[in-house]
Amino acid sequence: QKEVEQNSGPLSVPEGAIASLNCTYSDRGSQSFFWYRQYSGKSPELIMSIYSNGDKEDGRFTAQLNKASQYVSLLIRDSQPSDSATYLCAVFAGGTSYGKLTFGQGTILTVHP
Amino acid sequence: NAGVTQTPKFRILKIGQSMTLQCTQDMNHNYMYWYRQDPGMGLKLIYYSVGAGITDKGEVPNGYNVSRSTTEDFPLRLELAAPSQTSVYFCASSYADSTEAFFGQGTRLTVV
Repeated sequence: QKEVEQNSGPLSVPEGAIASLNCTYSDRGSQSFFWYRQYSGKSPELIMSIYSNGDKEDGRFTAQLNKASQYVSLLIRDSQPSDSATYLCAVFAGGTSYGKLTFGQGTILTVHP
Repeated sequence: NAGVTQTPKFRILKIGQSMTLQCTQDMNHNYMYWYRQDPGMGLKLIYYSVGAGITDKGEVPNGYNVSRSTTEDFPLRLELAAPSQTSVYFCASSYADSTEAFFGQGTRLTVV
């Protein structure tokens, strides 16, 4: 079982729609969860972090965390063509593997006009 | 403010050659990481370090070595380069478990 797994893409949505990206993780001791965005040929950059169960909103982005189901998601409302990128879920390990930051395989999002 | 600096940006190696990818950060971060990213894929963890003198293996450590003698530097050594090591390599650092990881610009390595 992969430590961090994202729903397979690619994902294509029309401009103005909601894009939904999902991620599951295997380490029940994990406490910190992140979503990064990576444009083609560039380095990843942080867009959201979440640590507690529930929703966290920042502008058009909402992260959702359910520790019981070991599930993290990212919703992008009013999607724009500039949101077209690869989205990476990242999880810090708990317990004796503290400090270990593992990424999922990424979901490629395309927002078409 | 430099952040995380990786050198070189590009490199072509012949099979069997060795090289060191340099990574340095000026943010006094405790944690540092090396990842590789193959085309269309996510980031795979090679090695990580939670402080000077402490390193640990990630998902894909074979063919690589690291050291962490100072807080600032975390070099990645490739011994006996193979075509399978053709990839983009990213170094990253973070202050602690609950904080953002900052990435270098990446090194595009081709082994021929």
